[in-house]
Amino acid sequence: EAGVTQSPTHLIKTRGQQATLRCSPISGHTSVYWYQQALGLGLQFLLWYDEGEERNRGNFPPRFSGRQFPNYSSELNVNALELEDSALYLCASSQDRGLATNEKLFFGSGTQLSVL
Amino acid sequence: AQSVTQLGSHVSVSEGALVLLRCNYSSSVPPYLFWYVQYPNQGLQLLLKYTSAATLVKGINGFEAEFKKSETSFHLTKPSAHMSDAAEYFCAVSNTGGFKTIFGAGTRLFVKA
Repeated sequence: EAGVTQSPTHLIKTRGQQATLRCSPISGHTSVYWYQQALGLGLQFLLWYDEGEERNRGNFPPRFSGRQFPNYSSELNVNALELEDSALYLCASSQDRGLATNEKLFFGSGTQLSVL
Repeated sequence: AQSVTQLGSHVSVSEGALVLLRCNYSSSVPPYLFWYVQYPNQGLQLLLKYTSAATLVKGINGFEAEFKKSETSFHLTKPSAHMSDAAEYFCAVSNTGGFKTIFGAGTRLFVKA
């Protein structure tokens, strides 16, 4: 069974540009979560999508956005990139909507975004 | 509000030595607690989780963690370190709704031969 896949592995952009990150969840999982892993800050919750809709977002500005497609894959878009957006962006999926039973998240390997 | 503090951003042990990674949490309600491991160039994997059953939780690869409410701690241990244990370890806490899982800053474990 394929795990959570993310692309690209690395992405280099300059300030002001836009970045698009992609995530394919495990087959059968309808919930997709995006996290930012900045150096020394741990994982910060960004966005949660389920059944094609944004269900919740973390404390990030509106230039962080995304969407979920009918096949449950997801995109994370970051507009007007700033230097501090440089981080590892992790996608996770779960079969359990909202993880109400606190079942585990399955994480992808991440996209390393570097903003120069 | 919930929070997680991992003591020590880097821990170095010799092969065969005890591994102890510290995690303290704060939560206004009984928490669910997790340890995740991130190997180089890989995503996170769940090591173990505490969900109010037994306070001593056994996970994969010989790791275990003990929930101590009085100390608000959930330290991760392994009796004997292997070289393959070298990775970054994240402690996490949540109550209901996994999207609000709060992760610690991570502890990088180095294992010396």
